Amino acid sequence: EIVMTQSPATLSVPPGERATLSCRASQSVSSNLAWYQQKPGQAPRLLIYGASTRATGIPARFSGSGSGAEFTLTISSLQSEDFAVYYCQQYDDRPPWTFGQGTKVEIK
Amino acid sequence: EVQLVESGGGLVQPGGSLKLSCAASGFTFSGSAMHWVRQASGKGLEWVGRIRSKINNYATAYAESVKGRFTISRDESNSTAYLHMNSLKTEDTAVYYCVRQANYYYMDVWGIGTTVTVSS
Repeated sequence: EIVMTQSPATLSVPPGERATLSCRASQSVSSNLAWYQQKPGQAPRLLIYGASTRATGIPARFSGSGSGAEFTLTISSLQSEDFAVYYCQQYDDRPPWTFGQGTKVEIK
Repeated sequence: EVQLVESGGGLVQPGGSLKLSCAASGFTFSGSAMHWVRQASGKGLEWVGRIRSKINNYATAYAESVKGRFTISRDESNSTAYLHMNSLKTEDTAVYYCVRQANYYYMDVWGIGTTVTVSS
């Protein structure tokens, strides 16, 4: 089973600033990596798939990069609606599909 | 509009059973693999299991934590997926999400979730 590790656990960022979230896989997952956003009381929402492709309707301020075992989600200028928990997930070696433990982006 | 709506959650005693339903609309249900993902309160996301489409023989796969206790099925006639849960444990308490799998194995559409509480 591939273990996904996200860092940091919590990221405090002022509105308008850049946020950089990291995700590491215990072995290579090629580019088979997705990012999800979850707001309190809501279901997760797909942001990025294929490590760098934005899902339909996702603003351009969200970008994904990386391949192999190291990945990054960047939010270029944080808006109020971006404060949430973000999860990475690998779908390269499945089953099982595995998620990181999440990074909470909070207002500084 | 693509939509998944779960139902069937509730309070059940340890050792009991429960069946969750996931009603799909707005897309060709028969062509999609479907997953269940759960989330305990304040915790992260945990994949539970998946059922593939008819063309893939309705193949199922399960997390080790639920294997032998949970079963996923689907009914194409009413575009619904099911999660049959037996021998429930307190650690199965969570919000259960039904999720559509996209063509390349990531998860692109999530339901609103239904809450399962296992407690005496």
